[in-house]
Amino acid sequence: GDSVTQMEGPVTLSEEAFLTINCTYTATGYPSLFWYVQYPGEGLQLLLKATKADDKGSNKGFEATYRKETTSFHLEKGSVQVSDSAVYFCALTNQAGTALIFGKGTTLSVSS
Amino acid sequence: NAGVTQTPKFRILKIGQSMTLQCTQDMNHNYMYWYRQDPGMGLKLIYYSVGAGITDKGEVPNGYNVSRSTTEDFPLRLELAAPSQTSVYFCASSRAEGSFNYGYTFGSGTRLTVV
Repeated sequence: GDSVTQMEGPVTLSEEAFLTINCTYTATGYPSLFWYVQYPGEGLQLLLKATKADDKGSNKGFEATYRKETTSFHLEKGSVQVSDSAVYFCALTNQAGTALIFGKGTTLSVSS
Repeated sequence: NAGVTQTPKFRILKIGQSMTLQCTQDMNHNYMYWYRQDPGMGLKLIYYSVGAGITDKGEVPNGYNVSRSTTEDFPLRLELAAPSQTSVYFCASSRAEGSFNYGYTFGSGTRLTVV
């Protein structure tokens, strides 16, 4: 069935470092892809999304490109801040479009 | 614009007790969902609804029930609470057209402990 695999965390970086969080997926059809972020004690918030191959989603300095040939949607940011410390979830729509399937999440910790 | 509102935020239940987690959305989204989040396990879908009067099971429905009498409300009922139901519960809603889902808006969660 459809699934999402994220790199295991935690990812620990210094402020202003480059961030990559890997996400690969298995899906039938052409899913939409999402990154969600969860700050401590809060619900998940949509960070960015892409709906078709080669689309690039971007928001708040984060970017991810929908790569159909490698079935990937890696999250990147050129210079992380302490305030980016959170858990990041990759997700895709199931084939019917009725629900999202989430990865297990990757914890990012940024120190000053 | 309130988005998705969940109540209560915290609750402690004794084994065998029952309770209802409330969820309301004001975005006129047709789809609504309940997930549970356990440490290191990501989110698991409990139940979902594609419209008023229509509900369906997700990945982990046992021990839970739902109803969707209106577009806005999607309560989750726990009957005979068990320690395995200790978790953080998230409600979400989305707009979907055919097989295209626009993505979720989440509530802030309910942290439930069963003792």
